[in-house]
Amino acid sequence: QKEVEQDPGPLSVPEGAIVSLNCTYSNSAFQYFMWYRQYSRKGPELLMYTYSSGNKEDGRFTAQVDKSSKYISLFIRDSQPSDSATYLCAMSGGGTSYGKLTFGQGTILTVHP
Amino acid sequence: GAVVSQHPSRVICKSGTSVKIECRSLDFQATTMFWYRQFPKQSLMLMATSNEGSKATYEQGVEKDKFLINHASLTLSTLTVTSAHPEDSSFYICSASGLVTAWDTQYFGPGTRLTVL
Repeated sequence: QKEVEQDPGPLSVPEGAIVSLNCTYSNSAFQYFMWYRQYSRKGPELLMYTYSSGNKEDGRFTAQVDKSSKYISLFIRDSQPSDSATYLCAMSGGGTSYGKLTFGQGTILTVHP
Repeated sequence: GAVVSQHPSRVICKSGTSVKIECRSLDFQATTMFWYRQFPKQSLMLMATSNEGSKATYEQGVEKDKFLINHASLTLSTLTVTSAHPEDSSFYICSASGLVTAWDTQYFGPGTRLTVL
């Protein structure tokens, strides 16, 4: 079983839709949770990070963490064609794994006009 | 935001040759750099972690003699793929971190696409 599971999609939505992206994890040591966006043939770009259960909002993006269920989500409101990319969840924990990220498989999102 | 560059962006080489990829943090001091590889439609797999002035720590299954990592300064790390073979063809991405806590943000480079003929 992979430490982080993410539905690879692909996910196709119309412009203006609300997008929900999800990851589950099995390692209880994970304390920090991130979402990255990766355009084709580019390096990942950090969108959101959080460390506590609950919601964190930044513009059209909302990150949600439920540590009891080991489940995280990223919501994108009013989606735009420019949001079309691969979205990767990533997690890290303390101790010897400090700074090391474990990524999900990535979800390919296409927002069509 | 912090900028990380990689050079070259794309390289094609013959089987058996060595290829060096550079990763630079342009506007901050990177105490830690990470090297990842990414196969098509797959996620990033961490290869190794390097701290400035120290030997790199390799992930399980990554051959340290094949993937040589040098982190000689706070702004530069290099990955050398020695005796490259077609199965080494991949997208190699580095990231840089300026602090030592798990909280710290990793800034990613644009990646290097390696094709071994």
